[in-house]
Amino acid sequence: DQQVKQNSPSLSVQEGRISILNCDYTNSMFDYFLWYKKYPAEGPTFLISISSIKDKNEDGRFTVFLNKSAKHLSLHIVPSQPGDSAVYFCAANEGGSNYKLTFGKGTLLTVNP
Amino acid sequence: SAVISQKPSRDICQRGTSLTIQCQVDSQVTMMFWYRQQPGQSLTLIATANQGSEATYESGFVIDKFPISRPNLTFSTLTVSNMSPEDSSIYLCSVATSGTLETETQYFGPGTRLLVL
Repeated sequence: DQQVKQNSPSLSVQEGRISILNCDYTNSMFDYFLWYKKYPAEGPTFLISISSIKDKNEDGRFTVFLNKSAKHLSLHIVPSQPGDSAVYFCAANEGGSNYKLTFGKGTLLTVNP
Repeated sequence: SAVISQKPSRDICQRGTSLTIQCQVDSQVTMMFWYRQQPGQSLTLIATANQGSEATYESGFVIDKFPISRPNLTFSTLTVSNMSPEDSSIYLCSVATSGTLETETQYFGPGTRLLVL
């Protein structure tokens, strides 16, 4: 039973355009959502997060949107750069004393020059 | 964020043997975790490494197979025991510091790529 789903295994975007990565979840107890970026042979790098009390969080070129009623979040990267090419993981936890992160399977983003 | 290192970075092992993976952090952290990423799969939490007490294991993971130590606030080890090819994965250490948001944000080490023949 996959509680965090990233239905697109891959996404290809032109440099300078917007990249939109999507994530759906089923557990209504999730309270905190995170995006990680992973290059080959490296560990995941924290990118941006959002609490369930917000619907948007922005950090430079990265914006995460949360739609709680739809149990959906998305990561927008504007403008996309070739260095953004990596696997992006969506993760969630229930907050409080529950530290467990539940991850999606990831989406491979390729930004073409 | 903390700087996290893992040893070894990769290894090829024979079935039936055991491998111990080390995780070192450059600062004291409240929480340390061990994850596994099997080929083509998402990251799965194995256990929370508790300083001074037994680790807390997730469903499907047991201490006999994945013994964990955490002697202090900057170091932990994960042993993969009696390995089989199904244990071939990337093993990742992660940490979180105290405080509401920081506790919920985990930072990961570079991972250990394990191949069991």
